[in-house]
Amino acid sequence: NAGVTQTPKFRILKIGQSMTLQCAQDMNHNYMYWYRQDPGMGLKLIYYSVGAGITDKGEVPNGYNVSRSTTEDFPLRLELAAPSQTSVYFCASSSQSITGELFFGEGSRLTVL
Amino acid sequence: GENVEQHPSTLSVQEGDSAVIKCTYSDSASNYFPWYKQELGKRPQLIIDIRSNVGEKKDQRIAVTLNKTAKHFSLHITETQPEDSAVYFCVARGYGQNFVFGPGTRLSVLP
Repeated sequence: NAGVTQTPKFRILKIGQSMTLQCAQDMNHNYMYWYRQDPGMGLKLIYYSVGAGITDKGEVPNGYNVSRSTTEDFPLRLELAAPSQTSVYFCASSSQSITGELFFGEGSRLTVL
Repeated sequence: GENVEQHPSTLSVQEGDSAVIKCTYSDSASNYFPWYKQELGKRPQLIIDIRSNVGEKKDQRIAVTLNKTAKHFSLHITETQPEDSAVYFCVARGYGQNFVFGPGTRLSVLP
């Protein structure tokens, strides 16, 4: 049981480049989330999904896109990378239960130069 | 939407002392309150949680209390150890709602 798997773990981008952060979970969770965490700060919700084919914006969605074609996968796309997107990105998932634990991936550290 | 405040932002205690972190939330519909611990460079991990129909829950050296009327909940760590040093996040969630995180408390346990 791998839990939540994110790739890549580290990436350096140049301004204006695009990339996709991959996230997969093997717990059959309906709910999946993308958070960003700037140095020394808390977690901000970027996008979330309550099931395949359904996505919605969180607190800080600008500059990002997501898709949810399967229950397992929830990729995050960065278009036209900017230095302000330098951050650690965490993917997470939970069951539908109100008390379902939020499981995090190991994180992806992105630097935009 | 839900808003979670957390205090203090930093906390230093001597090893063996107790630490208390307090949070408030705004949405009376929230009914699940987990606490996450994040060690440096690691992912957040659940350490304890409490549901709205429970006032207090304890797990070894960690306890949480919830006052739903006042919309307050707190984390208590007794007999602190150096490995308790981390950032702690309180979280509020209602049915069908997202997990809303507090800004975090950086706890340092001094030997």
